[in-house]
Amino acid sequence: DAKTTQPTSMDCAEGRAANLPCNHSTISGNEYVYWYRQIHSQGPQYIIHGLKNNETNEMASLIITEDRKSSTLILPHATLRDTAVYYCIGDQGAQKLVFGQGTRLTINP
Amino acid sequence: DAGVIQSPRHEVTEMGQEVTLRCKPISGHNSLFWYRQTMMRGLELLIYFNNNVPIDDSGMPEDRFSAKMPNASFSTLKIQPSEPRDSAVYFCASSSAGVRSYEQYFGPGTRLTVT
Repeated sequence: DAKTTQPTSMDCAEGRAANLPCNHSTISGNEYVYWYRQIHSQGPQYIIHGLKNNETNEMASLIITEDRKSSTLILPHATLRDTAVYYCIGDQGAQKLVFGQGTRLTINP
Repeated sequence: DAGVIQSPRHEVTEMGQEVTLRCKPISGHNSLFWYRQTMMRGLELLIYFNNNVPIDDSGMPEDRFSAKMPNASFSTLKIQPSEPRDSAVYFCASSSAGVRSYEQYFGPGTRLTVT
């Protein structure tokens, strides 16, 4: 089971790209990395996931290093509504999501 | 789609009372998850069901907690008797089994306060 490490908090200016790092050095070859976020007083929300290749969807981009030991979630044009706790989750198998403490991202006007 | 529906949204009860939390998953989803979130322990998976069958209940803290899923559109999480340390936000989530099973949709949560 891959453990992940994220910074406790980050700040980003509105309109700029927010780059959230995640270390998952123990990840194995067939384990995915998932990203969720939790806006205050709401349930978590799925953002994106990846295995080896970089991924992009309407919410974000996910850049995974070639050795797969780390990844970066990119919000290309952050808005105030992107203020949330962002969770990087290593694949635990069998549909289980194990949420760590995440990164508290604050978007400043 | 209404999303995952949870009730009640807030519950305040006294220690020793029975508490029942309810969840209606998204129609067509066949996996259902119960989570608990506290400041101290973060977000923890309590139990999950596939096709109404409990698959993993290793996160259920103790025998005071029980969960049921009598049909595909309804699940309950019961605490009996409740204790102050059970105070938390309880989330229900659902997903489709198969290749997108990692994409869980969470409800708004039930904030439980046990006094």
